[in-house]
Amino acid sequence: QLQLQESGSGLVKPSQTLSLTCAVSGGSISSGGYSWSWIRQPPGKGLEWIGYIYHSGSTYYNPSLKSRVTISVDRSKNQFSLKLSSVTAADTAVYYCARWGSGRFDPWGQGTLVTVSS
Amino acid sequence: DIQMTQSPSSLSASVGDRVTITCQASQDISNYLNWYQQKPGKAPKLLIYDASNLETGVPSRFSGSGSGTDFTFTISSLQPEDIATYYCQQYDNPPTFGQGTRLEIK
Repeated sequence: QLQLQESGSGLVKPSQTLSLTCAVSGGSISSGGYSWSWIRQPPGKGLEWIGYIYHSGSTYYNPSLKSRVTISVDRSKNQFSLKLSSVTAADTAVYYCARWGSGRFDPWGQGTLVTVSS
Repeated sequence: DIQMTQSPSSLSASVGDRVTITCQASQDISNYLNWYQQKPGKAPKLLIYDASNLETGVPSRFSGSGSGTDFTFTISSLQPEDIATYYCQQYDNPPTFGQGTRLEIK
């Protein structure tokens, strides 16, 4: 059974870079032709797709965040990562990683809260 | 980007009730629509994919229908464990989510 687990800093200062990693277990990140995605949810609000990295290694980002987002994959460690630069309080959210395939996000990681504050 | 308008934003119903949530796309998305359930403090869980297909292991009281711009999600007989927020999601790139429907027990 495929499982995803987010990790990274839970507190980031304004203007700095948020960095998160998603470890994939129970299967290879390189198999099945799947892509890998990040989604976030501000406290008490809805879901916002951030971007994904295709099995080919190419990336596709939400246009509203594109200038600040980088998603990368480390196949040797079976994990993928998110970097979001120049963060502000508006970037405070629970960040989820998820597998993307056939238009679906499934499964999801449990999520990790990132707070932007000085 | 395609906008998804989900309604109602909140809903209170009794155990055993039939519950319906709608999602309208700002343009034709064929059947490129999924439904997720999110319980408090948990990650969303896929329930319905491609508008009407039940994900493996999901109870049959959940169903979805629609195509084009108008979609419906139904719980045929509400159970206490169905208390959650439900989201639609379209996948005509880029993917976008509806605003969510918070379902409560009356």
